[in-house]
Amino acid sequence: AQKITQTQPGMFVQEKEAVTLDCTYDTSDPSYGLFWYKQPSSGEMIFLIYQGSYDQQNATEGRYSLNFQKARKSANLVISASQLGDSAMYFCAMSVYNQGGKLIFGQGTELSVKP
Amino acid sequence: SAVISQKPSRDICQRGTSLTIQCQVDSQVTMMFWYRQQPGQSLTLIATANQGSEATYESGFVIDKFPISRPNLTFSTLTVSNMSPEDSSIYLCSVGESSYEQYFGPGTRLTVT
Repeated sequence: AQKITQTQPGMFVQEKEAVTLDCTYDTSDPSYGLFWYKQPSSGEMIFLIYQGSYDQQNATEGRYSLNFQKARKSANLVISASQLGDSAMYFCAMSVYNQGGKLIFGQGTELSVKP
Repeated sequence: SAVISQKPSRDICQRGTSLTIQCQVDSQVTMMFWYRQQPGQSLTLIATANQGSEATYESGFVIDKFPISRPNLTFSTLTVSNMSPEDSSIYLCSVGESSYEQYFGPGTRLTVT
């Protein structure tokens, strides 16, 4: 069975500093994708970044990068130069390709950025 | 990415009633899903909305409680039937053209009293 684990219920970071949010996953399927979403208090889910299991390089999108360590089954999100607007819940999710694209989510990490 | 809208954005409903949530996409999409997020919890998949056929439900979710329609490639509805306070959640639809892209609608915040 597939599983996503986020072990940090809450994190604090100083404005302008970098922060790493942890995510480990478990699947026996070789073809999968890993996603990170941001959920502000409004409740919407904002797509941040995607990493495919066969991608050779770590994904980057602006201030977001995904530290993909396949052997360790980890897909940590790195946010550089944190901003006050980054305060939100962050969810790691996995999609196994032969299961029709549905997402399995971790429990989330609440990030608070301090001024 | 596709532009996704949901109606209503929020509602307060009485116990025992039903609510239908609409999800509209501005382009045709292959995949469409419905998720539930209970207060303080993560997202859980309710079902995959299949165009022109019955939805595929996840374990713990049944068609009688959460009937879903998907008449075409841009629209779907989720009904929450015979509601109880435990149904108070955010309900989100998501769409994708492939397994490596999935985008979410703004969500429907439901409170059952």
